[in-house]
Amino acid sequence: SQTIHQWPATLVQPVGSPLSLECTVEGTSNPNLYWYRQAAGRGLQLLFYSVGIGQISSEVPQNLSASRPQDRQFILSSKKLLLSDSGFYLCAWSVPLGQIGWSSYEQYFGPGTRLTVT
Amino acid sequence: QQQVKQSPQSLIVQKGGISIINCAYENTAFDYFPWYQQFPGKGPALLIAIRPDVSEKKEGRFTISFNKSAKQFSLHIMDSQPGDSATYFCAARKEGSSNTGKLIFGQGTTLQVKP
Repeated sequence: SQTIHQWPATLVQPVGSPLSLECTVEGTSNPNLYWYRQAAGRGLQLLFYSVGIGQISSEVPQNLSASRPQDRQFILSSKKLLLSDSGFYLCAWSVPLGQIGWSSYEQYFGPGTRLTVT
Repeated sequence: QQQVKQSPQSLIVQKGGISIINCAYENTAFDYFPWYQQFPGKGPALLIAIRPDVSEKKEGRFTISFNKSAKQFSLHIMDSQPGDSATYFCAARKEGSSNTGKLIFGQGTTLQVKP
């Protein structure tokens, strides 16, 4: 079965410090990967998605960047954090291109990382 | 046209009652409509989903009703329980986006089921 991991679970960082959040997926190959941010009490904002190694698409211009150095690894980074970067960061995956049926539509979320920028 | 509008923002239901959350969309190219359940501090979990070729899908106490002509879909939770207290998100996926799988989410509904 497939599992998705995110770490760290919580993080408190000062303004201006760098950031690196990691997401890994097990049990599938070539998944689509996604980074979302959820502000307190708010909806889900798609930040980045990736359909393959080194292929990153950005949804919203911002202070963050993403990379996919390996097939099942997705990293969210920042060189200098802003207060507005605080939030709950969620990684998600879906079945890769070429799959048919319902499974190709389903998107699964990781446990999330709570980031507080002070 | 890319939005999914969800209502109400919050909902309080008595135990045993029916919880109803509604979503509306404009883009007729949407072809997949999932609902997610999120407990505080956790990632959203896929609850139930429907495609527009059916008008209703039921899984246990959870039912999606889909009205293609009105471009609306709703989640019904029968016999609501305190354990159902969570935030619920509807979403939609655009036909032809199979290479990206991107979903567009509603703003969420916080459900509280009172014992």
